[in-house]
Amino acid sequence: AQSVAQPEDQVNVAEGNPLTVKCTYSVSGNPYLFWYVQYPNRGLQFLLKYITGDNLVKGSYGFEAEFNKSQTSFHLKKPSALVSDSALYFCAVRGFNDYKLSFGAGTTVTVRA
Amino acid sequence: NAGVTQTPKFRVLKTGQSMTLLCAQDMNHEYMYWYRQDPGMGLRLIHYSVGEGTTAKGEVPDGYNVSRLKKQNFLLGLESAAPSQTSVYFCASSWYQETQYFGPGTRLLVL
Repeated sequence: AQSVAQPEDQVNVAEGNPLTVKCTYSVSGNPYLFWYVQYPNRGLQFLLKYITGDNLVKGSYGFEAEFNKSQTSFHLKKPSALVSDSALYFCAVRGFNDYKLSFGAGTTVTVRA
Repeated sequence: NAGVTQTPKFRVLKTGQSMTLLCAQDMNHEYMYWYRQDPGMGLRLIHYSVGEGTTAKGEVPDGYNVSRLKKQNFLLGLESAAPSQTSVYFCASSWYQETQYFGPGTRLLVL
């Protein structure tokens, strides 16, 4: 069975500081990993994904994520956070031959001015 | 190009009532999915479809039925609503096993 853990319910950072949202996963075989963001009363927006190749993946709005196979992690990062980055972030995983995504519980990011 | 749309946006039901949620996508995606989102639990897959005329159960299928009569539409039905089905429901679609794209959601309150 595949699963995702987001160990932090909330992350608070000051605007301009680096932002990291943590994610660890469990899946059989090679993982397909995704990050989504959800703004209040909105649907999920795709940020980035890791399929294969370079362990550092760049996505929308200046976000990037680093895949670490040995630590089974896929942490989301942004070098300089903006107040507008305040939202709920979800990490998701699926196996190579699967089409069902498993989501983490989500991490609420608050960026203070 | 509207992407994934859902109707209605919000609905209040009484226990025992039935309703159908409609999802439509204009991206010619083969796969479609219904999720529910509950606080602290992320998104959980209810049912999914890998093509017109096919459906399959996800993690939490009990109390729900689905149909995919047309490629672009995926309907989620509640035959007899229960308070435990109060949730936010999201539809998603994907080009086979590629990235899933989500609709704006339907908020359902069952009294």
